[in-house]
Amino acid sequence: GNSVTQMEGPVTLSEEAFLTINCTYTATGYPSLFWYVQYPGEGLQLLLKATKADDKGSNKGFEATYRKETTSFHLEKGSVQVSDSAVYFCALSRSGGSNYKLTFGKGTLLTVNP
Amino acid sequence: DVKVTQSSRYLVKRTGEKVFLECVQDMDHENMFWYRQDPGLGLRLIYFSYDVKMKEKGDIPEGYSVSREKKERFSLILESASTNQTSMYLCASSSQIWGRGGLRTDTQYFGPGTRLTVL
Repeated sequence: GNSVTQMEGPVTLSEEAFLTINCTYTATGYPSLFWYVQYPGEGLQLLLKATKADDKGSNKGFEATYRKETTSFHLEKGSVQVSDSAVYFCALSRSGGSNYKLTFGKGTLLTVNP
Repeated sequence: DVKVTQSSRYLVKRTGEKVFLECVQDMDHENMFWYRQDPGLGLRLIYFSYDVKMKEKGDIPEGYSVSREKKERFSLILESASTNQTSMYLCASSSQIWGRGGLRTDTQYFGPGTRLTVL
């Protein structure tokens, strides 16, 4: 079946540090890949997505590249801010079969200190 | 902007009570979903609906039921609440798109969540 594995948290960084959150997936066919962010006390918001291999999603300084050869979709940001403190979820959707569903990773808590 | 609203942000109920959680979306999306979120377990799908009156079980449907009488509204029902149903409940909606390989769910848009406590 489909699965998403993302790095365990929590991750604690200083402001302006470089961020990488690793995400790998298992899925058949051609999944779409997503990063969602959840700020404290709120629901999830889409951060970025990529729908085919070698696509790069980007938003708010965050980037992730869909790597089919390594089944990965790692999230990166060159210089984090305190306001980036949140929980980040990697997710995939696939066509055919259970095509209505997103499969989520367990989330990575990021804390950025001033 | 897509808007998904949930009827309550916080709810406290007693064991054995019947609980209704309501979700409304304003984007004419075909799909609607109910998840629960627990520390260390991430998001787990309870039920989803791909059309009015249509529903399918997700990964953890036991103890829950759902209702979708109108396209914009999706209700989660706890027939007899138990303490192990204390959790954050998130509703989401999405459209369907054609991708390589066939039909798939597009971006899911989430509501703010309802934190339910069962005493």
